[in-house]
Amino acid sequence: NAGVTQTPKFRILKIGQSMTLQCTQDMNHNYMYWYRQDPGMGLKLIYYSVGAGITDKGEVPNGYNVSRSTTEDFPLRLELAAPSQTSVYFCASSGSAYNSPLHFGNGTRLTVT
Amino acid sequence: GDSVTQMEGPVTLSEEAFLTINCTYTATGYPSLFWYVQYPGEGLQLLLKATKADDKGSNKGFEATYRKETTSFHLEKGSVQVSDSAVYFCALSERQGGSEKLVFGKGTKLTVNP
Repeated sequence: NAGVTQTPKFRILKIGQSMTLQCTQDMNHNYMYWYRQDPGMGLKLIYYSVGAGITDKGEVPNGYNVSRSTTEDFPLRLELAAPSQTSVYFCASSGSAYNSPLHFGNGTRLTVT
Repeated sequence: GDSVTQMEGPVTLSEEAFLTINCTYTATGYPSLFWYVQYPGEGLQLLLKATKADDKGSNKGFEATYRKETTSFHLEKGSVQVSDSAVYFCALSERQGGSEKLVFGKGTKLTVNP
């Protein structure tokens, strides 16, 4: 059982470049999330989705976009990369709305120079 | 909004020592509380949770009790092992509309030496 799979594991971008972080889960979870983790700052929610076709902003959505065309996939798009987006990005999913544990991927380490 | 404050790290202990990582929260409602653990190079994993006041969550020798009167959820383990070395995150659930989102503390890095 693969769980939540994120690709790539590492990426270096130049300022102004674009990229898509991929996230897929095989647990048939409706709820999916994107977090960024900065050193000493915990995790901040970027975007989340409660099902296919439904997405909403989290705490730090600026500079990012998401889509949810299928239950399994929840890609995160960076259109114009900036150094402030250097971070580790985690995708997570859960099976229900409340009190359900999050299942995390192993993360994507992104550096923007 | 809701928030979580956990003790600053890093914490360094010898094997078999007693562990406490403090966590306090601020919330307008009655959130569920969680501890997640992150091993090097991996994503976070749920360690334990408690959904109402006075509940005790436990797993792998770790325990935490939901204390509403002190708004706390401190993580404890009686005898740590080298394999417990990781970053520990306290979190609460925040309900907004038809879903629930987690608010995380900043994390506490634990290193256990043999």
